[in-house]
Amino acid sequence: GAGVSQTPSNKVTEKGKYVELRCDPISGHTALYWYRQSLGQGPEFLIYFQGTGAADDSGLPNDRFFAVRPEGSVSTLKIQRTERGDSAVYLCASSPGHGNPYTFGSGTRLTVV
Amino acid sequence: GENVEQHPSTLSVQEGDSAVIKCTYSDSASNYFPWYKQELGKRPQLIIDIRSNVGEKKDQRIAVTLNKTAKHFSLHITETQPEDSAVYFCAASKTGNQFYFGTGTSLTVIP
Repeated sequence: GAGVSQTPSNKVTEKGKYVELRCDPISGHTALYWYRQSLGQGPEFLIYFQGTGAADDSGLPNDRFFAVRPEGSVSTLKIQRTERGDSAVYLCASSPGHGNPYTFGSGTRLTVV
Repeated sequence: GENVEQHPSTLSVQEGDSAVIKCTYSDSASNYFPWYKQELGKRPQLIIDIRSNVGEKKDQRIAVTLNKTAKHFSLHITETQPEDSAVYFCAASKTGNQFYFGTGTSLTVIP
């Protein structure tokens, strides 16, 4: 596609529920990144995929967070047993590969009530 | 890990004046420094970047300088316009993959 697409744009969920956030990167971009941005803060790294594999998942805050990219294109960020502290904008970005600038998506605003 | 600090957190300038935003980083291995502009409710967009083998880079009204010895880099916007109003983020990376972002500078250009 022309840009990085994220769905849904907004998600409100109850505490304890499971959510999935989807990212569709720019066609041909092999690298895909997930970041989380809390209000008034800069984006915080979560996980990076090169192709289908998670090359670096050191930013995932705990084992409630998991991400997959089974075919090397679309990625899904999965959050189990959501907590109010998970509320943030989840940003996805892609790039042609190592060391190239990112293109960010518009993000998914997750609100846990 | 890397720690990026950004100042000021808010900045107001008159239209036509210059704006300067400064960042410092802690990891001397960092070698790539992008700047992003984020308008309210929108995605961060890359506006300029610099690599550690270069001391300065300019693109029209925007320039970035890098001082590797002092581990700081700055964004300079000249002849500011109201459409420059946004939140600006600096970032640092040593791998080219994981970026460490500053906390942002909210720039307001007053017409």
